[in-house]
Amino acid sequence: DIVMTQTPLSLSVTPGQPASISCKSSQSLLYSDGKTYLSWYLQKPGQSPQLLIYDVSSRFSGVPDRFSGGGSGTDFTLKISRVEAEDVGVYYCMQALHLPRTFGQGTKLEIK
Amino acid sequence: QVQLQQSGPGLVKPSQTLSLTCAISGDSVSSSTAAWTWIRQSPSRGLEWLGRTYYRSKWYNDYAVSVKSRLTINPDTSKNQFSLQLISVTPEDTAVYYCARHEDRSGRAFDYWGQGTLVTVSS
Repeated sequence: DIVMTQTPLSLSVTPGQPASISCKSSQSLLYSDGKTYLSWYLQKPGQSPQLLIYDVSSRFSGVPDRFSGGGSGTDFTLKISRVEAEDVGVYYCMQALHLPRTFGQGTKLEIK
Repeated sequence: QVQLQQSGPGLVKPSQTLSLTCAISGDSVSSSTAAWTWIRQSPSRGLEWLGRTYYRSKWYNDYAVSVKSRLTINPDTSKNQFSLQLISVTPEDTAVYYCARHEDRSGRAFDYWGQGTLVTVSS
């Protein structure tokens, strides 16, 4: 199975300040079709996970543009340009290159 | 707008069968670009992909090795829904279970999720 490793596991951010989460995969997520199957999710307290980013950097419908994704191969980053109170929750990366789909362990974002 | 509505019991006795259903609105279980998936979440294992069913001229299923001998995921085209059956459950199967849609056009990401069902395995 592909192992997904996130850092940090938690971060506390002042509203209006940026935040960054790293995700590393145990093998390259680049497929022969030229796509890289890495996505990001936010699980708000008491809710189901919700899709933020797919294909490394494509924002899902309705996701604010303060969220951005980047990276390639095995190293990926989710950035929030200006954190807002509604961004609290646990962020997960996930690989969709191979079965089984695997998730990172999660990064908990809190507001200072 | 796609919506997934889960139903099923929240308490199952050890050795019995866990059964959940996910009703789909806004899409078809027979979609040629979607796959219908079950994922569970527990403190010990985090988010764990369990398996999927999908239609590409015929029906296919894939299962996680960890549950393959116990898990069945079935589509129901007449009701536009899909189901999970996990046999011989133990307390280690206690988790929140989610259904989700994987869409090929969204990088195989899970773009819509059910509301989650907390299933406790206990006598």
